[in-house]
Amino acid sequence: EVQLVESGGGLVEPGRSLRLSCTASGFNFGDYAMSWFRQAPGKGLEWVSFIRGKAYGGTTEYAASVKDRFIMSRDDSKSTAYLQMNSLKADDTAVYYCTRERGWITKIRGDIDYWGQGTLVTVSS
Amino acid sequence: DVVMTQSPLSLPVTLGQPASISCRSSQSLVYTDGNSHVHWFQQRPGQSPRRLIYKVSNRDSGVPDRFSGSGSGTDFTLKISKVEADDVGVYYCMQGTYWPWTIGQGTTVEIK
Repeated sequence: EVQLVESGGGLVEPGRSLRLSCTASGFNFGDYAMSWFRQAPGKGLEWVSFIRGKAYGGTTEYAASVKDRFIMSRDDSKSTAYLQMNSLKADDTAVYYCTRERGWITKIRGDIDYWGQGTLVTVSS
Repeated sequence: DVVMTQSPLSLPVTLGQPASISCRSSQSLVYTDGNSHVHWFQQRPGQSPRRLIYKVSNRDSGVPDRFSGSGSGTDFTLKISKVEADDVGVYYCMQGTYWPWTIGQGTTVEIK
């Protein structure tokens, strides 16, 4: 069974940093791309970042709203994806969801097939 | 960036009646492979999103056949043939054709 478990959320002051983790199980993690989405309280979904699998060099993509502040990475030996969030702002307050993307198999772009339960990040002084 | 515009944003529906959600993109979502990479997600209250439809019209495993997707180019539609209580939630369209991926504002389906 595929499982994605996010952790690392919490309360952080503006300007500080936080690192989210997404621990995966039930599939060959290194073969898949992963992505982060977020949802501000009472708002809609927003795509945040994406990292390709090892076969595609593990390269990344970012939303403009987080580019140059957030860094997505992965450790395939630990089946874990990370989101390093720097220079946090109040607007970054949201539930952050980790997702699996299988487009490399299906050739479907944005082929998100599994979501985690989310972790809440609150940026406030 | 591609803007995805959903309508309506709120959709009160009587149980057993059909529902339709429109999603329009600011530019054609046809990729070089000839396909439109548009997907639909459902988010029930208090839950993580779940995908219903991928690549315009393909139902995910376990999704009831009362859900269907259609469209091409810039206009896409999600239809529920007969709304059930279990369908209450927010529905989102997402395009994966271009970076950055963009998502519609969401349509809240509620029972009248």
